[in-house]
Amino acid sequence: AQSVTQLDSHVSVSEGTPVLLRCNYSSSYSPSLFWYVQHPNKGLQLLLKYTSAATLVKGINGFEAEFKKSETSFHLTKPSAHMSDAAEYFCVVSDPGNDYKLSFGAGTTVTVRA
Amino acid sequence: DTEVTQTPKHLVMGMTNKKSLKCEQHMGHRAMYWYKQKAKKPPELMFVYSYEKLSINESVPSRFSPECPNSSLLNLHLHALQPEDSALYLCASSQTWGGTARGEQYFGPGTRLTVT
Repeated sequence: AQSVTQLDSHVSVSEGTPVLLRCNYSSSYSPSLFWYVQHPNKGLQLLLKYTSAATLVKGINGFEAEFKKSETSFHLTKPSAHMSDAAEYFCVVSDPGNDYKLSFGAGTTVTVRA
Repeated sequence: DTEVTQTPKHLVMGMTNKKSLKCEQHMGHRAMYWYKQKAKKPPELMFVYSYEKLSINESVPSRFSPECPNSSLLNLHLHALQPEDSALYLCASSQTWGGTARGEQYFGPGTRLTVT
């Protein structure tokens, strides 16, 4: 069985400064990993995905994440935060044999200060 | 086009009403999902349809009744709901391969349901 831990429930950054959202996972298999973003009263939008190709994954809106198997981590970063990045972020893992079943982290709320 | 659409955006219903939520995708995905999301929580899986057949029911109460009329449409019929069923209901879809779901799920914007 797989599980996901998002290490920060809330992250606050100033506009223009880097953003780091931390995610650790546990899985019995080589997992597929995803980051989704959810703006208030919206659905979930896929930011990026890791599926056993390159360990550094680039996503939309300047986000990227690095898969580190030895640390079982999949941290999300962005060099320069924008006000529009204020949202809820979910780290998600799926069992490669059963992609229908996603395991969600509890979520990290990002606020961006002007 | 990676869009999943859902209607209505908002729904208020009484506990004796019958209503339906609708979801549509035109990405050729053969796996479709219903999720329930409470405030400040991650989505919880309710149902999975694969090739228009119900493949997973996560022990959802019978007052929620899913339906998949064709490969592009997914409905969720609601009857005799309780106030605690108030939530954001999300639809999602994904590709399939070898008869099972594969890859990332694409989510719709959701229907905000309030049960009074």
